[in-house]
Amino acid sequence: ETGVTQTPRHLVMGMTNKKSLKCEQHLGHNAMYWYKQSAKKPLELMFVYNFKEQTENNSVPSRFSPECPNSSHLFLHLHTLQPEDSALYLCASSQAKVVGVADTQYFGPGTRLTVL
Amino acid sequence: DAKTTQPPSMDCAEGRAANLPCNHSTISGNEYVYWYRQIHSQGPQYIIHGLKNNETNEMASLIITEDRKSSTLILPHATLRDTAVYYCIVARDDKIIFGKGTRLHILP
Repeated sequence: ETGVTQTPRHLVMGMTNKKSLKCEQHLGHNAMYWYKQSAKKPLELMFVYNFKEQTENNSVPSRFSPECPNSSHLFLHLHTLQPEDSALYLCASSQAKVVGVADTQYFGPGTRLTVL
Repeated sequence: DAKTTQPPSMDCAEGRAANLPCNHSTISGNEYVYWYRQIHSQGPQYIIHGLKNNETNEMASLIITEDRKSSTLILPHATLRDTAVYYCIVARDDKIIFGKGTRLHILP
């Protein structure tokens, strides 16, 4: 148990559906992250939020829309996804994103997403 | 791209020490060495990190060479539950770039 929870753990959706992934951290952290892990590929950073402000978007398609209402919650809204978007989506949190300072990230268990 | 090089896979007998090497020859002076592991289909788990000195915690030891161009993660008494993919990462702040890691198999 890392203090980072994700729901749902598994999600199957059609290409025309709209769904949301939820992440919650109970660690008092101020930075939160979304990663994507496709089969047999390294983890890819998608978005970074630091003190509720989005500080990084790694050229993620607009069909993925993040939302960070407060430092403890992070959402990933999904719409009109493609089958190639099927992957494990991981949320992580860390104390804060400060340039030049090492900051350990703590990961949730992930949401296994299948797009039909 | 990841700035580290790791062997794709390793085996270790249960109860023995597992020594996982990592090369990071282009590491900068203010970059840390991090180790994470990922057990099948779970989120990555932080293990340990260091800058220059060797580090030890309840999970593992991290040995960093004096020139900082390589490091070794040591699991002192490997168990079957240590079977996972181990990632060596160099990072200055919290921009972590994962490579392919080393798949460690603990053999009974």
